[in-house]
Amino acid sequence: QKEVEQDPGPLSVPEGAIVSLNCTYSNSAFQYFMWYRQYSRKGPELLMYTYSSGNKEDGRFTAQVDKSSKYISLFIRDSQPSDSATYLCAMSEDSGGGADGLTFGKGTHLIIQP
Amino acid sequence: KAGVTQTPRYLIKTRGQQVTLSCSPISGHRSVSWYQQTPGQGLQFLFEYFSETQRNKGNFPGRFSGRQFSNSRSEMNVSTLELGDSALYLCASSRGGGYTFGSGTRLTVV
Repeated sequence: QKEVEQDPGPLSVPEGAIVSLNCTYSNSAFQYFMWYRQYSRKGPELLMYTYSSGNKEDGRFTAQVDKSSKYISLFIRDSQPSDSATYLCAMSEDSGGGADGLTFGKGTHLIIQP
Repeated sequence: KAGVTQTPRYLIKTRGQQVTLSCSPISGHRSVSWYQQTPGQGLQFLFEYFSETQRNKGNFPGRFSGRQFSNSRSEMNVSTLELGDSALYLCASSRGGGYTFGSGTRLTVV
């Protein structure tokens, strides 16, 4: 079963705080892991793309993958009100999406309070 | 560079009708995927096309179909619309290394 669990929130934090978003999954065949940000009435925007276990940093964003625990995280440093959005994790068995495409979590609604 | 373009942005249709949605991928991207997004189910994979061939298909009824043209543009069609088909339909294109999504077509079935 290729299920991805993600806390829907809402998660409300003050501006400048470090935000931690997480997903757990059950399918050990997942190799590619992504984080998307979605603003209201917009399509998802790719933030981070990682392969297998490890960390990846891009500006204020850090993605972590722990395949042994089937757990992925996204950290946002120095959070800004403009970071308020829904954050979706996604994963797949191969870089081309695989037979079932990308499998998404339901998304976490994040609110950054000014 | 131009992103993924989906038309139309909004549609209202009546039960039993059919609808065609269009997607223009990023130039150079040959893979186009379609997803349905609803509040209850989240994003669910419909199908993927690569070089005019359907490469993968999600768990949706045969009323949902698609195609891809030689210029990589793609269309999806839903026949005999049901109220439950009301959703945001998202198209995404890729050249490997993650998918770029369009803003979607919001379909309302009444």
